[in-house]
Amino acid sequence: EIVLTQSPGTLSLSPGERATLSCRASQSVSTTYLAWYQQKPGQAPRLLIYGASSRATGIPDRFSGSGSGTDFTLSISRLEPEDFAVYYCQQYGSSPPYTFGQGTKLEIK
Amino acid sequence: QVQLVQSGAEVKKPGASVKVSCKASGYTFTDYYMHWVRQAPGQGLEWMGWIYPKTGVTDYAQKFQGRVTMTRDTSISTAYMELSRLRSDDTAVYYCARGFRGSFECWGQGTLVTVSS
Repeated sequence: EIVLTQSPGTLSLSPGERATLSCRASQSVSTTYLAWYQQKPGQAPRLLIYGASSRATGIPDRFSGSGSGTDFTLSISRLEPEDFAVYYCQQYGSSPPYTFGQGTKLEIK
Repeated sequence: QVQLVQSGAEVKKPGASVKVSCKASGYTFTDYYMHWVRQAPGQGLEWMGWIYPKTGVTDYAQKFQGRVTMTRDTSISTAYMELSRLRSDDTAVYYCARGFRGSFECWGQGTLVTVSS
C-alpha cells in the first residue's frame, strides 16, 4: 500500500502570504495520478489539482501543483480568506488503488 | 452542470445494513466511474470502491470486501452503496464522487450514517 504523508499537519499563515504544502509518498507515484483537494467544514472535498499539476475546472491560478516520484507540492501564491481549509493529497496506483494523505489544516494566523 | 445528490442521513443499529443513493445529473451517467469515499468524524478520507455504471462492474477496497455492495439503476441515473453488518466505527459521512483520470472530480453532498445502539 502506498502511504501518503502530508506536512505540516497545521500551517498558520496570513492572507496575502504564500502557502506551500507537502505530500510525500512511501513509493513512487505516477504524476498522472496525483491529486489535491480542498475541504471546508461541513462540505464535500473539492478537486483542485489532478495529474500533479493540472488545475481542475474553475480553480483560480493562484493554486499550483508540482512534483514527481515521491515528493509533491501544492502551492497557493497569495492566500485569500476563503483558502483557509483542510487540504488532502490523493494517489491512484496499486492496491489499494486509491489512498489519501491525512490532510494539512491551513489556518489563519 | 454536473450534480450528484445523495439521500438523507441515516441512523442504524449495530449489525444492520444501510443503503445510500446518489442521483447524477448534468452528464451521461454511464460514461464515468462512480466512487464511494467515506470520512469518519474529524478524520480523513477513505476510498471504498467504484462501480462502472455502463456495465455494472465493481471494484471494492479489500477492507470492505464482503460487506459492501455497489449497484446502479441506469434508468434513473442513480448509484447505490449498501454496507452491511454495521459497526460503531462505520459512523461516517459517505460520499459518492465521479471519477476522472484517477481523481474524484465531482462529489455529492455527503450522507451521514450514524451507527448506535
